[in-house]
Formats: sequence, C-alpha cells, structure tokens
Amino acid sequence: NAGVTQTPKFRVLKTGQSMTLLCAQDMNHEYMYWYRQDPGMGLRLIHYSVGEGTTAKGEVPDGYNVSRLKKQNFLLGLESAAPSQTSVYFCASSWTTGGLTEAFFGQGTRLTVV
Amino acid sequence: ELKVEQNPLFLSMQEGKNYTIYCNYSTTSDRLYWYRQDPGKSLESLFVLLSNGAVKQEGRLMASLDTKARLSTLHITAAVHDLSATYFCAATMEYGNKLVFGAGTILRVKS
Repeated sequence: NAGVTQTPKFRVLKTGQSMTLLCAQDMNHEYMYWYRQDPGMGLRLIHYSVGEGTTAKGEVPDGYNVSRLKKQNFLLGLESAAPSQTSVYFCASSWTTGGLTEAFFGQGTRLTVV
Repeated sequence: ELKVEQNPLFLSMQEGKNYTIYCNYSTTSDRLYWYRQDPGKSLESLFVLLSNGAVKQEGRLMASLDTKARLSTLHITAAVHDLSATYFCAATMEYGNKLVFGAGTILRVKS
C-alpha cells in the first residue's frame, strides 16, 4: 500500500532556482493539499485541490504554484526559491464520506534554500 | 477564518503522571482531529471526533470534544516514554474541506 508518496525526500536549492515537488496518491481521493511545517508554527496550508483540474489558495500561497492535471498527482512548484521557503513540505489527501474528512499524509520533503 | 490554538506548546512529564493537552478553535467546526508526529516523520492520525460530547480512547490517550465550548482535549493517563512525540490538533470548518492545524504540543516523557 503506497498511500501518499512525495518526491523528492530531500533537496538543497540555491536562491533563485526553481523546482517541483511531486505528490502522488493511490487512494482515489478527491482532495489533495500541500502544507509547510516550520518550528513552532504547526502546519500551514499552501494550496489545495478539491478535484482534478482545480486548485485554490491556502493560508500561505505566495511564492508557490500548483497544478492538478491528474486526479492522483498534485504538483507544488517554486519558481524562484528564497531562503524563507526553507521548510519541511507535506502533501496530504483526503475524501469526504458522510461528512467525514480524514487526511493521509506523505513522508515529507525537507527543502533547504541557501 | 478558522484558527486553532493548542496549549501547552511544550510539556515535560514524568512517567506515570497524567496530563491534558487543550485545543481551542475559533469558529464553528464539525470535525476535530488529533495527530501524532515523531521526530523526522510524517503525521499519524490518532482520533477523529465528529460530534459534541464525542469521546474516543486508544491505550493511554483519550480525546474528547465540546463543540459548544469549541474545545477538544487530549488526556494522557500514566504516561510512558513511548508517548514522547509532537501532538497536533486540527479542525475543519462546517462543510469545509481544509484542515487547519494548531501549532502542536511537544511532549517529553521522562523516566
């Protein structure tokens, strides 16, 4: 059971470089999310998607873009990385059944921008 | 805008003691979640609380929800070292689909 898989697990970028983080889920979930985790701040929502072809901004969307061309994949892009984007990024997916939304998380991507 | 606050943010306990972590949320929410995170790891779902008065227990952990007070608690009974982790609560707005997290409580259980 793969669940939610994030690629890559670690990355070091130079300021100004770009990169894409890939999230793949095999549970046929409609909803997918990208969070960043910083010490003392919990998880903050960057962008999310409620279905294939849809995306929406979360709490901290600036500097990031996303795409959901296929239901199972949710991509997070950094066009011009900044040191403030050094963080651990988590992808999650969920479904809503009878009012229940349970989210499953990937293993995280540790990104350092130097 | 839904906001979720946890306290305490750091908790150091002796083995065998009891303690409670509190989670307050700012607007009407119909779902409350508790997650556990070990260092360097992902988040593991512990409890999902769906209605006022809901109580769920797993081992030494018990979670409850009071929607009128907009408060959830995670009670730890007779703590053991293996419970050391960071615990997050999260909530969704009514009919919403976004999980909003608290800052997390770092729990350290000392022998």
